[in-house]
Amino acid sequence: DAKTTQPNSMESNEEEPVHLPCNHSTISGTDYIHWYRQLPSQGPEYVIHGLTSNVNNRMASLAIAEDRKSSTLILHRATLRDAAVYYCILKWRAQKLVFGQGTRLTINP
Amino acid sequence: KAGVTQTPRYLIKTRGQQVTLSCSPISGHRSVSWYQQTPGQGLQFLFEYFSETQRNKGNFPGRFSGRQFSNSRSEMNVSTLELGDSALYLCASSLLPRQRLYGYTFGSGTRLTVV
Repeated sequence: DAKTTQPNSMESNEEEPVHLPCNHSTISGTDYIHWYRQLPSQGPEYVIHGLTSNVNNRMASLAIAEDRKSSTLILHRATLRDAAVYYCILKWRAQKLVFGQGTRLTINP
Repeated sequence: KAGVTQTPRYLIKTRGQQVTLSCSPISGHRSVSWYQQTPGQGLQFLFEYFSETQRNKGNFPGRFSGRQFSNSRSEMNVSTLELGDSALYLCASSLLPRQRLYGYTFGSGTRLTVV
């Protein structure tokens, strides 16, 4: 399974943008980049995924580097409810989801 | 539409006992995966079921087993419980196994404590 590297923790302020980085230098051409988050006392929740192009949805944006060796999850205006552990995962369709340690995001009011 | 339902939410068992956890997937989802989450090891994949057949298995001892019923509901069983089995057990359902585009929907988990 391809590996991802994320910072252990990040902190931001409410209503400010948050950029969560993920390095995946061993990504293969068929790997999709998935992001999940886990709020306290809940199971992980799907956030967004992409292959090569940047992606937007109602929750976040995903910016993928041209060489695909890194990506950034962007929360445009963080709220207190965005405080969670964010996981960056590489997945090809035949593989199971493999979670790393993730980034614990703290949002200050 | 109802989400993934896991029962029970909390469980306390004694070493050496066995336990069965239940997962009801989202209506229409036919694939169920199980994960173990501990502070030290994070989220680790246990197994995945589709059409009552195990399609994928993680690196866990044989004490961990599961099954899926014809209505897609799934159960996992842990026999001869050890203290290290204390964890949050999460179930995830998806439309099909190895889903790429639609993602997985997780339940809130069963918190198992072994004493």
